[in-house]
Amino acid sequence: GAVVSQHPSRVICKSGTSVKIECRSLDFQATTMFWYRQFPKQSLMLMATSNEGSKATYEQGVEKDKFLINHASLTLSTLTVTSAHPEDSSFYICSATSPGQGGSGEQYFGPGTRLTVT
Amino acid sequence: GESVGLHLPTLSVQEGDNSIINCAYSNSASDYFIWYKQESGKGPQFIIDIRSNMDKRQGQRVTVLLNKTVKHLSLQIAATQPGDSAVYFCAAGFQKLVFGTGTRLLVSP
Repeated sequence: GAVVSQHPSRVICKSGTSVKIECRSLDFQATTMFWYRQFPKQSLMLMATSNEGSKATYEQGVEKDKFLINHASLTLSTLTVTSAHPEDSSFYICSATSPGQGGSGEQYFGPGTRLTVT
Repeated sequence: GESVGLHLPTLSVQEGDNSIINCAYSNSASDYFIWYKQESGKGPQFIIDIRSNMDKRQGQRVTVLLNKTVKHLSLQIAATQPGDSAVYFCAAGFQKLVFGTGTRLLVSP
């Protein structure tokens, strides 16, 4: 149980285009989803916290107009990187918690999406 | 805010040895701690967690110890196997998690 999927697993896009990454909880309803970014050989950095039906809460330094997050249902959150630039190239990882845990509970991670902007 | 750091960037052990990976956190309000394992190109994989009302928790071949006095967390892996080779992250938090920098565990046969 507690499986989280991401799509696509890899994406290459040209500078200036937008890319949408999907995060789905397959066998549970996720009231809270998190989006992380990971650079090579570095740790996960939280970008934003997303609660179903409300606006995402972004971490300091993360541009909300550039990284659009939508959590339209209890099983799906999307991250759209708008007007992508090469410096946005990174490994994007989502996680989800099941109801009742909120943020202080086990987070189930997706497999990640490798974004390369050329 | 919280900051989390792992003591060693790399730990090399022989197959069959016990491994200990250490982590320090800064925020005494953190109430939840997790250890994750990450293999190259993959997302983090849950290993074990512990809440602040406990100081020890055991899983299969793994034990997590929490010392709230000195804000220290450790992961012990018994009888380490080559398949345990990966980067190990600790994370601490209250409401949201802050990840440490990771320790790469290298297991040689």
